[in-house]
Amino acid sequence: EVQLVESGGGLVQPGRSLRLSCAASGFTFDDFGMHWVRQAPGKGLEWVAGISWNGGNTDYAGSVKGRFTISRDNAKNSLYLQMNSLRGDDTALYYCGKDKASGYHGSGVDYWGQGTLVTVPS
Amino acid sequence: QSVLTQPPSVSAAPGQKVTISCSGSSSNIENNYVSWYQQLPGTAPKLLIYDNYKRPSGIPDRFSGSKSGTSATLGITGLQTGDEADYYCGTWDNSLSVVVFGGGTKLTVL
Repeated sequence: EVQLVESGGGLVQPGRSLRLSCAASGFTFDDFGMHWVRQAPGKGLEWVAGISWNGGNTDYAGSVKGRFTISRDNAKNSLYLQMNSLRGDDTALYYCGKDKASGYHGSGVDYWGQGTLVTVPS
Repeated sequence: QSVLTQPPSVSAAPGQKVTISCSGSSSNIENNYVSWYQQLPGTAPKLLIYDNYKRPSGIPDRFSGSKSGTSATLGITGLQTGDEADYYCGTWDNSLSVVVFGGGTKLTVL
């Protein structure tokens, strides 16, 4: 059974940093691209970042580029999101997602974690 | 404003059919695969359709997807009260180099 378990969320002051983690199990982690997708309270889905199977390719939403860094450790079956210079509009539930393919270019996110909440007071 | 445009809400009676549209452009929908997601209240999104029309294992054939040009459509037949959820389309945008989602459509089964 595929499982994605996010952790690391919490209340953080503006300008500070936070690192999210996603522990993956139930599939061959290094065969698939991965995503971070967030959802602000009462709002829709917003893609944050994607990473290819080997970490060789990454992309970011414009709203986080230069502040957030996605990475993965295939030996630990883990995905990370380093978030720096946090702002009030970064407040959201952050989901980790597995792509159907080795990349992240829109094949579809076929498994999602339950999310970890990041709150940045504005 | 979302890059992909969906109607904010749709509604229909149990047993009926509903369609949800997703409008984009040549930089996204027209030249990339479209996915559809269902998000039940208080839960994580779930993949319903990928590669425009394919259904993951376990998704009933009441759910269907299609694409034509710069638009995609999700169809749901035999509506059930359990289908009440938010539905999102998503695809890759070649110009922006990001995954883009529609703003979401709230389905109400009356």
